[in-house]
Amino acid sequence: DTAVSQTPKYLVTQMGNDKSIKCEQNLGHDTMYWYKQDSKKFLKIMFSYNNKELIINETVPNRFSPKSPDKAHLNLHINSLELGDSAVYFCASSQDGLAGDTQYFGPGTRLTVL
Amino acid sequence: LAKTTQPISMDSYEGQEVNITCSHNNIATNDYITWYQQFPSQGPRFIIQGYKTKVTNEVASLFIPADRKSSTLSLPRVSLSDTAVYYCLVGDRYSGSARQLTFGSGTQLTVLP
Repeated sequence: DTAVSQTPKYLVTQMGNDKSIKCEQNLGHDTMYWYKQDSKKFLKIMFSYNNKELIINETVPNRFSPKSPDKAHLNLHINSLELGDSAVYFCASSQDGLAGDTQYFGPGTRLTVL
Repeated sequence: LAKTTQPISMDSYEGQEVNITCSHNNIATNDYITWYQQFPSQGPRFIIQGYKTKVTNEVASLFIPADRKSSTLSLPRVSLSDTAVYYCLVGDRYSGSARQLTFGSGTQLTVLP
């Protein structure tokens, strides 16, 4: 069983489009995250939800909107896509959302904006 | 925030022991040190976590000196499949939030035949 899953794995789209990435975890964790990894491998946290409540929102443009229908799911919707949004997006989960928690990552979604 | 510094890249040969050192000079009292491994086209994967002295599991060892200002991830007898990016993080296990997490760019380990 996959612990943290994301769909789609690849996403190629045109500038200006709106797209969504879905994430699900079956670990029973309370906290889920979205990270963005750029071409230089920097992995930067974007959002964190704990029990469906937004905890972290790190200077991300308003075009990015996370949604957590329940604590096992955290989706990421991106409006008006720009070239600079091209990156790999990782979903992750942890038990409590503390900085020292072990995080479990999904396989990533490679977004390419043309 | 406890910022970490790691070498950008390292090369090794199969069968050798590899040591990757991470500096975290302003580590806080409650911070734990965690290492993750990331293969190409995959998400990071937890390897090991420690607070002080030495921690060993089936994959690696983690050495942390008494002042805790650095830590060394030791991979015994590496194989080609250990080629990956290794990230060092520090974070509080008892309070604070993951906002404090900065993965940085990690250390690209390349194992050569």
